[in-house]
Amino acid sequence: DAGVIQSPRHEVTEMGQEVTLRCKPISGHNSLFWYRQTMMRGLELLIYFNNNVPIDDSGMPEDRFSAKMPNASFSTLKIQPSEPRDSAVYFCASRRLANEKLFFGSGTQLSVL
Amino acid sequence: EDQVTQSPEALRLQEGESSSLNCSYTVSGLRGLFWYRQDPGKGPEFLFTLYSAGEEKEKERLKATLTKKESFLHITAPKPEDSATYLCAVQGGSGSARQLTFGSGTQLTVLP
Repeated sequence: DAGVIQSPRHEVTEMGQEVTLRCKPISGHNSLFWYRQTMMRGLELLIYFNNNVPIDDSGMPEDRFSAKMPNASFSTLKIQPSEPRDSAVYFCASRRLANEKLFFGSGTQLSVL
Repeated sequence: EDQVTQSPEALRLQEGESSSLNCSYTVSGLRGLFWYRQDPGKGPEFLFTLYSAGEEKEKERLKATLTKKESFLHITAPKPEDSATYLCAVQGGSGSARQLTFGSGTQLTVLP
């Protein structure tokens, strides 16, 4: 099992640019989560999907953030335009069923200059 | 709103010096309490799930316990490789909460 795969591992961009983060969940997992981690706020849930359908996006900070899951094996998180305060580590996680453990990817370290 | 508070924020132990990490929580209808370990530059890695007060789980030098208000992660005779940030999370039953609410973590350093 390859685990949850995220790309890129690191992203450095300039303010105003579009950023796209990618995630491949574990095969057979029905739920996918996007988290953001900062020193100040810890791990925050941005959005999660069940069976490719967005269920709760109340954690998405603003309209600059959008997420898609076109199929069971791929999801994207897009920030347009990016701002320095978006700098954080973004994690994708998946699980098979509710109440089961989450498996996290290695994260994308985003730096917006 | 579910809340999780972890203490201490940081803990330094000598190798072999046992201790406990605390996770206090408020949640509407606890579905599960989770412990994760996070190493620098990596995503959180699952350790335990506890579902009801009185439950205990063990793995090597780690033992997790649960009451109605808090959970403890006991570390017995730790080794330097146990150094990591330990995260606690709760899954409640209210609203759309099939999600986890995480605490801010305890950064554990075990010195040789």
